[in-house]
Amino acid sequence: GEDVEQSLFLSVREGDSSVINCTYTDSSSTYLYWYKQEPGAGLQLLTYIFSNMDMKQDQRLTVLLNKKDKHLSLRIADTQTGDSAIYFCAEPTSGTYKYIFGTGTRLKVLA
Amino acid sequence: GAGVSQSPSNKVTEKGKDVELRCDPISGHTALYWYRQSLGQGLEFLIYFQGNSAPDKSGLPSDRFSAERTGGSVSTLTIQRTQQEDSAVYLCASSQAGTRGDTQYFGPGTRLTVL
Repeated sequence: GEDVEQSLFLSVREGDSSVINCTYTDSSSTYLYWYKQEPGAGLQLLTYIFSNMDMKQDQRLTVLLNKKDKHLSLRIADTQTGDSAIYFCAEPTSGTYKYIFGTGTRLKVLA
Repeated sequence: GAGVSQSPSNKVTEKGKDVELRCDPISGHTALYWYRQSLGQGLEFLIYFQGNSAPDKSGLPSDRFSAERTGGSVSTLTIQRTQQEDSAVYLCASSQAGTRGDTQYFGPGTRLTVL
């Protein structure tokens, strides 16, 4: 099927690390994306990883890709209250330009 | 423009009325996409434009939904005879070429409420 799965909620304390997980479907996906949606706002491209990479680091963000298990994760180091948002993973569907999005993980950062 | 813009940001309408939602993509982006985000749901693909043509309308939920794009730029999503189940955030995105893996940039969305 075309379901991209994410857990719905994650709660962490300020300063801790957050890990948001995603299971995708298409092993031939060229890129995999993470988007952030703050309350009342659209989707902001956070980062992406090319499928021939296992890891990508960008400041506080680390993306890990396990192609064998079709598992993608986003780690946020030193999580801040401003990181509270919904995080969506997305993959282009096979042979097309459409993105399939996960249901989103709502991250709540406790002060 | 600097980013994708959408208008209006909020629209409240009565059941049965028609609404038009507008999207201004990033200048130079040939591909434009409409998605719908219902409360507590992920994003649902509606339609894709490459230039002014729409090769994929498969996501439009019913014939009450239509979209057009003119001049390879602005797009309008029209919902006729709105129903309460049409209430959602409608998001527009654009990308440079519309090829697979091409990064999509999203607008802030239009929140539609049908009373």
